[in-house]
Amino acid sequence: GAVVSQHPSRVICKSGTSVKIECRSLDFQATTMFWYRQFPKQSLMLMATSNEGSKATYEQGVEKDKFLINHASLTLSTLTVTSAHPEDSSFYICSAERENNEQFFGPGTRLTVL
Amino acid sequence: LAKTTQPISMDSYEGQEVNITCSHNNIATNDYITWYQQFPSQGPRFIIQGYKTKVTNEVASLFIPADRKSSTLSLPRVSLSDTAVYYCLVGDGSARQLTFGSGTQLTVLP
Repeated sequence: GAVVSQHPSRVICKSGTSVKIECRSLDFQATTMFWYRQFPKQSLMLMATSNEGSKATYEQGVEKDKFLINHASLTLSTLTVTSAHPEDSSFYICSAERENNEQFFGPGTRLTVL
Repeated sequence: LAKTTQPISMDSYEGQEVNITCSHNNIATNDYITWYQQFPSQGPRFIIQGYKTKVTNEVASLFIPADRKSSTLSLPRVSLSDTAVYYCLVGDGSARQLTFGSGTQLTVLP
């Protein structure tokens, strides 16, 4: 199956700093990628849809100025958590959509904000 | 988007067949049913997808009755490594985002 990678796999940062998470589709081009957040013992919650060459679409309740998304190429989308706070600590997962609308998920990034 | 309902948890023993049922009463004509598996601190992994009747692949079978208001994921002869959360998703033809429900925590005991 198709491969999607995320970097870093885990990151610890101080409160107030910004953290960038990368999502790459390694063997296919993805015009659309999705970003999810998952808190412990909970399900995945869609945060935003990342579109190559255009602005991301954010779900209700997700602050676009806090979670900056850039889909710079057909194989890379980045999520930047700006001015991170402890409540932003979570597991962030991306998925990339292939031409047949099939989605492939990355391994996730564990963010811990101290 | 059609909502799904699954049992929160299930226990089984190694070697047994496990059936996890998902209810999706409001499934639309264009919707497919997809099951994902998720291990702790990993992204979801696709298991199987179907539209109606029965679908089988190398890891599971998916049974969908004629009214399509429910579906059952069948895992044959589970092992300890099948312990995971299993999500049933119903895809809306007009939206590409996946909406995850609560999932079913399957625990396989020795």
